[in-house]
Amino acid sequence: QLQLQESGAGLVKPSEALSLTCTVSGGSIGNNNYYWGWIRQPPGKGLEWIASIYWTGRSTYYSPSLESRVSLSVDTSNNQFSLNLSSVTAADTAVYFCARHAGYELFDYWGQGTLVTVSS
Amino acid sequence: QSALTQPPSASGSPGQSVTISCTGTSRDIGGYNYVSWYQQHPGKAPKLMIHEVNKRPSGVPDRFSGSKSGNTASLTVSGLLPEDEADYYCNSYAATNNWVFGGGTKLTVL
Repeated sequence: QLQLQESGAGLVKPSEALSLTCTVSGGSIGNNNYYWGWIRQPPGKGLEWIASIYWTGRSTYYSPSLESRVSLSVDTSNNQFSLNLSSVTAADTAVYFCARHAGYELFDYWGQGTLVTVSS
Repeated sequence: QSALTQPPSASGSPGQSVTISCTGTSRDIGGYNYVSWYQQHPGKAPKLMIHEVNKRPSGVPDRFSGSKSGNTASLTVSGLLPEDEADYYCNSYAATNNWVFGGGTKLTVL
């Protein structure tokens, strides 16, 4: 059974960068033609897709609203992929989920989520 | 890209059916059959319930069904059970290489 686990700093200062890593277990990140994505959920609010990266790292898709501040990377040797969000503000406070992104169709495996708070 | 529009709440009694709508535009729901639905219990990760409008992943009860007409997708939960009480989110592919979620619907089992 595929499992995903987010890790990273839970508190980030305004204007700094948020950095998270998702570790995949129970399967290889590079085994199939999947993308790997990030979705966030501000406290008490809905889900927002942030970005997705192909397992080779050669293709990335970004939400238009966040594209200028987001970068993704993949580390197949450690079965991980990572998110970097620059110049954060309080509006970036959210639970961040990583997920397997299968084609155009769906997000089928999710991490448990990690809360990132932006505050000085 | 604007979020898809869902009613904030829906409710039904055990055994009844409830339908949750998700309205978009011709650039997302209306343009593609790539609508998915997610169930989220408090403090938990979302769980895929429906994909490609009306396909159920293995393990999802057939009480859950999906459909689409024009720019609106729908999720129907039949034979409501107490454990169906959760938040439900729709998602659609929206050209180009963009995915949008609905604002979520809180389903209450009375």
